[in-house]
Amino acid sequence: GAGVSQSPSNKVTEKGKDVELRCDPISGHTALYWYRQSLGQGLEFLIYFQGNSAPDKSGLPSDRFSAERTGGSVSTLTIQRTQQEDSAVYLCASSSSRDRPQSWYFGPGTRLLVL
Amino acid sequence: AQKITQTQPGMFVQEKEAVTLDCTYDTSDPSYGLFWYKQPSSGEMIFLIYQGSYDQQNATEGRYSLNFQKARKSANLVISASQLGDSAMYFCAMREGGGYSTLTFGKGTMLLVSP
Repeated sequence: GAGVSQSPSNKVTEKGKDVELRCDPISGHTALYWYRQSLGQGLEFLIYFQGNSAPDKSGLPSDRFSAERTGGSVSTLTIQRTQQEDSAVYLCASSSSRDRPQSWYFGPGTRLLVL
Repeated sequence: AQKITQTQPGMFVQEKEAVTLDCTYDTSDPSYGLFWYKQPSSGEMIFLIYQGSYDQQNATEGRYSLNFQKARKSANLVISASQLGDSAMYFCAMREGGGYSTLTFGKGTMLLVSP
């Protein structure tokens, strides 16, 4: 079946504008994760959704970042008043408890450039 | 302290040779999982291999094996018979506890395979 998809693939925006990044997880996957990868760095955890539970927002770097997951499926990561340091690749992953051992499926990422 | 340490920013290997990518981790949780991912230049994260903290044997997946030394808290990835297509970034990651806890990633090692 289809994997995790993300849109847009690339986004160029001006400093101060808001952006929305979308993630479509694999159907049936109850867990969804957002990570950020800056140039030459590893992956930095942002936020995690598990079913209907309250999301774990402990990785969000500032209150300009927010995310929601509608109907337990699609997720949108919103960055308000973007700054140049927000430039990075934003990766989404989903997982299912049926996987043993647990493995994550990553999307192709959204490359965000803030000018 | 960093939870996942990858001390090799870059590694070079000749085609058909074996290469070891180092990873050390830090956790006080007795239950954890260790993962290796490959990230080619195209950007997607590809799951390679998983080792659970209670697994008695080292994990193997085709040409990939994980040299798990629990007392030393190391989980090195061994790639046998390197291929040109193995050139990529490699990330070590850890999940602490069970269930849907998040993954913590190292900063990665860039592997270049030469003909």
